[in-house]
Amino acid sequence: GQSLEQPSEVTAVEGAIVQINCTYQTSGFYGLSWYQQHDGGAPTFLSYNALDGLEETGRFSSFLSRSDSYGYLLLQELQMKDSASYFCAASNNAGNMLTFGGGTRLMVKP
Amino acid sequence: DADVTQTPRNRITKTGKRIMLECSQTKGHDRMYWYRQDPGLGLRLIYYSFDVKDINKGEISDGYSVSRQAQAKFSLSLESAIPNQTALYFCATSDPQGIQETQYFGPGTRLLVL
Repeated sequence: GQSLEQPSEVTAVEGAIVQINCTYQTSGFYGLSWYQQHDGGAPTFLSYNALDGLEETGRFSSFLSRSDSYGYLLLQELQMKDSASYFCAASNNAGNMLTFGGGTRLMVKP
Repeated sequence: DADVTQTPRNRITKTGKRIMLECSQTKGHDRMYWYRQDPGLGLRLIYYSFDVKDINKGEISDGYSVSRQAQAKFSLSLESAIPNQTALYFCATSDPQGIQETQYFGPGTRLLVL
């Protein structure tokens, strides 16, 4: 089975940088994804790491260390619209199923 | 038009009633999923289907059943609803091409069981 741990809440100010961590315990780990969900909305894909290192997509970056079973999502130049829940999700090599973490609620303050 | 649609968007039902949640997609994806979301628990997989003839139980399938009527349609049924099935339900699709598993979610169905 798989389990993923992430902080339940993070608060940051507009314009700052915030890092959301995710640790996982999995069998057959293949890659780590990140999804964003605004209140009342559906999860939407943000980023994916299959290899160690940093993947950058605009203001968002995601990092993976397979040896440490650890990853993080980095959000730069925070905007109010970034207030949302962020989920890490591990995929396995037995059909690429996703297992989601409990989510981190990010609150961006002025 | 949305690529993944769910009906109804909101539903209130009583304990013991049978209800069906429907999901349709126009993305042409073979893989479809049903998740349930509860506060603080993230998304938990109920059932998944990799093609029309393939149905698999997920992490929390007890009390639920599914039907894959066509590539584009995947329905979730609660045979006899109970209050702890009150939750937000999401349908999702994915394309197995490549190494990256990206899932596309519908808008969700908010279910309240009284």
